[in-house]
Amino acid sequence: GENVEQHPSTLSVQEGDSAVIKCTYSDSASNYFPWYKQELGKRPQLIIDIRSNVGEKKDQRIAVTLNKTAKHFSLHITETQPEDSAVYFCALANTGNQFYFGTGTSLTVIP
Amino acid sequence: DVKVTQSSRYLVKRTGEKVFLECVQDMDHENMFWYRQDPGLGLRLIYFSYDVKMKEKGDIPEGYSVSREKKERFSLILESASTNQTSMYLCASSIIAGGYNEQFFGPGTRLTVL
Repeated sequence: GENVEQHPSTLSVQEGDSAVIKCTYSDSASNYFPWYKQELGKRPQLIIDIRSNVGEKKDQRIAVTLNKTAKHFSLHITETQPEDSAVYFCALANTGNQFYFGTGTSLTVIP
Repeated sequence: DVKVTQSSRYLVKRTGEKVFLECVQDMDHENMFWYRQDPGLGLRLIYFSYDVKMKEKGDIPEGYSVSREKKERFSLILESASTNQTSMYLCASSIIAGGYNEQFFGPGTRLTVL
């Protein structure tokens, strides 16, 4: 299957600072890139997604950027808050309807 | 509001037992998925189904089978449970129409095999 590398595996930031998580992939046919947030003991939930015909998408404090040439996409969280603390997963899909997930980033926002 | 439910939150089984994990979704979604989640490995796809009685292997199907007799229900079967199948199992569903769509996850089943 597709190999999705996600970095860093853990990230600690001070409240109010920005957090950036990056994922790289190898299959150039991938064309859908969602990000999921999983709070402790809860199910993963979609927070933002981007399709391959768009380079950047923003939703309030979160944004995703996509570089198809370099095959990487990133999640940016600005003005972080304690409730942003969670595990974040990148994912991608191609024409096969199959999703591939990254290994996750545990984000801690320190008040 | 999409609702994906799983039959158990916690399950303890013995090595060699046959284990059934059930997943039900109430939004008429065509796609259903079974993942296992392990620390440091993220979510790995075991099987998925895009229609009733249809199934496709994911990345780690060995030791598992699935059943989809009705659109709303997708079952994961461990034919003979082993200790290395101790994990969190997550079910998800999505629609097909319009390309790639959000996967809605169930609450997960934490399975321990002794």
